[in-house]
Amino acid sequence: ETGVTQTPRHLVMGMTNKKSLKCEQHLGHNAMYWYKQSAKKPLELMFVYNFKEQTENNSVPSRFSPECPNSSHLFLHLHTLQPEDSALYLCASSQEGPLGDTQYFGPGTRLTVL
Amino acid sequence: DQQVKQNSPSLSVQEGRISILNCDYTNSMFDYFLWYKKYPAEGPTFLISISSIKDKNEDGRFTVFLNKSAKHLSLHIVPSQPGDSAVYFCAAHRDDKIIFGKGTRLHILP
Repeated sequence: ETGVTQTPRHLVMGMTNKKSLKCEQHLGHNAMYWYKQSAKKPLELMFVYNFKEQTENNSVPSRFSPECPNSSHLFLHLHTLQPEDSALYLCASSQEGPLGDTQYFGPGTRLTVL
Repeated sequence: DQQVKQNSPSLSVQEGRISILNCDYTNSMFDYFLWYKKYPAEGPTFLISISSIKDKNEDGRFTVFLNKSAKHLSLHIVPSQPGDSAVYFCAAHRDDKIIFGKGTRLHILP
């Protein structure tokens, strides 16, 4: 399997649930990213991991918790989300990080918070 | 082959004057463009974006201009303030990719 994969592709959760999004890259890249894309808004960079170390956190609420166990896998743990957190969550990876390089996106997880 | 180029690694501008940051791209299929600002040891902050169907977008002191025929976009900051000193990244989006330029370091001089 090649490229960047994300699971699940769709997720519906209540505000009291705990769920996790998974991202896996098969490109041998060293940096991985979580983005949020809300309707009619540009991409919002949430987290950056460079060589498994989190280097950036753009004031994302603590109800989003990233985890990067190795350079190929990235998780986004979700708990007590709000309806306004409903969006498309995109994972990306690049050879180098944190910016100034081409990032390749996964297909995204469409999250709906009820 | 760099598809998004920021040819000026650094730029110095007097406080109160206009800062103009430039970005060139090679792929006419990009559907929108973004500018990010980054302070040392902090995360990048989204500034402003522009769809490929527009030629100008303004938000407060920040204006982005897009010239599709020249494959060129620019970010104007007016008036420039000391807090604008940072690295500015231009990025272009298409399909499943977002491609960043290497950044331009802006110094606002007192």
